[in-house]
Amino acid sequence: DTTVKQNPRYKLARVGKPVNLICSQTMNHDTMYWYQKKPNQAPKLLLFYYDKILNREADTFEKFQSSRPNNSFCSLYIGSAGLEYSAMYLCASRRDWGDAEQFFGPGTRLTVL
Amino acid sequence: GEQVEQRPPHLSVREGDSAVITCTYTDPNSYYFFWYKQEPGASLQLLMKVFSSTEINEGQGFTVLLNKKDKRLSLNLTAAHPGDSAAYFCAVSAGGSNYKLTFGKGTLLTVTP
Repeated sequence: DTTVKQNPRYKLARVGKPVNLICSQTMNHDTMYWYQKKPNQAPKLLLFYYDKILNREADTFEKFQSSRPNNSFCSLYIGSAGLEYSAMYLCASRRDWGDAEQFFGPGTRLTVL
Repeated sequence: GEQVEQRPPHLSVREGDSAVITCTYTDPNSYYFFWYKQEPGASLQLLMKVFSSTEINEGQGFTVLLNKKDKRLSLNLTAAHPGDSAAYFCAVSAGGSNYKLTFGKGTLLTVTP
């Protein structure tokens, strides 16, 4: 099973409120990634976990948090949503012993009002 | 860091015509190359992955060409049909740094009957 799951699929949030998105995979992949995808833009890597080590991209360092309580689950947390956070959020995972292929989940469409 | 330029941003062809999308990248150490398809409202679906040097890979109805000398990757849909209408993204990785992917901005392909 090469399935990456994301919940919820759609999320409506108010400006200033927190948002928590969930991703899971049962492939025992060591690395899990979070991307932000806006219309007509390339998917933008926000952060990734290699095992228990979190790596956040420099330009999004302060905007997103994440946790990985176990190998299967990874969350993306926005402490105070702004209008600019409206986007599709894609979770992906990669096996450590393979190539660079990442397996993507269906995405969570976040709308901030 | 790696930069990936993808052209054209929009492409409209008639059913049965060919459609060519091209990406150029900057990092000569790039080793892994991917094409993803994204249908409206859906996540990224892997079409093809290519490695190594100059390589031609054929899939169902499409051909991928990698030219490492020119740092160019292309996707050729040989006889497009309306079901091919989607956004297409190339992605490049040099391995290392947990195999981060750098995506092109995408090409929105429309195939009309």
